[in-house]
Amino acid sequence: SQQGEEDPQALSIQEGENATMNCSYKTSINNLQWYRQNSGRGLVHLILIRSNEREKHSGRLRVTLDTSKKSSSLLITASRAADTASYFCATDASGTGRRALTFGSGTRLQVQP
Amino acid sequence: DGGITQSPKYLFRKEGQNVTLSCEQNLNHDAMYWYRQDPGQGLRLIYYSQIVNDFQKGDIAEGYSVSREKKESFPLTVTSAQKNPTAFYLCASATLLAGESSYEQYFGPGTRLTVT
Repeated sequence: SQQGEEDPQALSIQEGENATMNCSYKTSINNLQWYRQNSGRGLVHLILIRSNEREKHSGRLRVTLDTSKKSSSLLITASRAADTASYFCATDASGTGRRALTFGSGTRLQVQP
Repeated sequence: DGGITQSPKYLFRKEGQNVTLSCEQNLNHDAMYWYRQDPGQGLRLIYYSQIVNDFQKGDIAEGYSVSREKKESFPLTVTSAQKNPTAFYLCASATLLAGESSYEQYFGPGTRLTVT
């Protein structure tokens, strides 16, 4: 079952604009991670936020986590054409005894030059 | 040159044949994972291993088998029992941290399997 669900499924913006993607999940977590996938390639880790953190930054990326709403958002500021990719959230569920991430279905981002 | 490799990049098989996908890492990671990705979809966990000679089923293990005889290697066999084997297969590895499933996962480039 998909623990994380991203919203929107697809997003198209102009270069220079900000892109916001949301992720909702169902169970308690240890951490939540965001990954990027260029078409036909493997995933690349972007950022990890732990359950006791509310916000984290990395370059043009800003991630927020609201554990009371079981949701996270990824903001990419000043987007570039090279940011065109699919973005996935992945959750590390706590208390399950299963030491593996569960990935969402992804948001496909298209940045128009 | 550290990383995780998968081979081959493209694989074609006839229905009814077993096929083994290779995954090797030289990152000294304890954990390794196999995922399946269908077009426009997210990743689904097939099998994972936290230590040599041990592995656990993921969400869609039926029709697949794995082995973990060496820390560096985690091959996946797609058997003839897998009903819809055509997909993109991704292997990943990670360090395990106490109290958490994993820190970041490092992914290989993937193998695209087509069964006809």
